[in-house]
Amino acid sequence: GAGVSQSPSNKVTEKGKDVELRCDPISGHTALYWYRQSLGQGLEFLIYFQGNSAPDKSGLPSDRFSAERTGGSVSTLTIQRTQQEDSAVYLCASSSPGVNQPQHFGDGTRLSIL
Amino acid sequence: AQSVTQPDIHITVSEGASLELRCNYSYGATPYLFWYVQSPGQGLQLLLKYFSGDTLVQGIKGFEAEFKRSQSSFNLRKPSVHWSDAAEYFCAVGARGNNRKLIWGLGTSLAVNP
Repeated sequence: GAGVSQSPSNKVTEKGKDVELRCDPISGHTALYWYRQSLGQGLEFLIYFQGNSAPDKSGLPSDRFSAERTGGSVSTLTIQRTQQEDSAVYLCASSSPGVNQPQHFGDGTRLSIL
Repeated sequence: AQSVTQPDIHITVSEGASLELRCNYSYGATPYLFWYVQSPGQGLQLLLKYFSGDTLVQGIKGFEAEFKRSQSSFNLRKPSVHWSDAAEYFCAVGARGNNRKLIWGLGTSLAVNP
C-alpha cells in the first residue's frame, strides 16, 4: 500500500520567504508527526497530531513555525520568514491507532534557504 | 534526564563481517525501543522494536537486537553485513502507552567496504 508521502521533495527558497511543506499520511493512521533533521544531527521533534485532540506543539522552535492537519489526514507545516538556520530535512511520520504503534516515515523534504 | 546515546558516530566494516551497533538509554520508566535505518535521501524505515517478552528481537533484513535492562542497552547486530546495509542507523526510546515523543539517538553511520 501507499506509504507516507511528502511534497515537495526539495525546496530552495530565499531567506525571508514563507514555505509550506505537505505530508499525506498512510490512510487510517490517526497520529502524525513532524520532525526536523539537520546535517549530522538526530531527529528533532516538532509537532504531533493525534485524531481530534489538540496537537502537541512543544517542539516548534519559534512562532515562525506552525502546522495544521485538515480533516484528520493531510498536514501542512508552514515556516514564515525563513532563516538560513531553517535549512534541514523535514520528515513526516504517521502511525496507526493504538498505543506504541511504530512510526512510518516519508522520504522528507529537503529545505535549503539561500 | 531522558536520553539515548549511540556512542559510535561512524563505523566501517567489510562486507561479510559481523556488525554490532551500540545504543544506551537513560529512561525513568520501562521503555519501549526501536531501531530505524535511513538510506541516503530517504526517510526512516523500522528495523525492529521491543516492547516486552523475549529480550532478543528479530527484525527485517537479518538484523536482531538484544534488550539488556541491567546495562540499559539495546544493541543492534547482524552476523554478516551486505553492501546494501550502508546507511544511517537510529535508536529511539519511548514511554509505554505514550506515542507522543520518542527520544532519538544521533545515529551511527555505517560504511561497508567491498
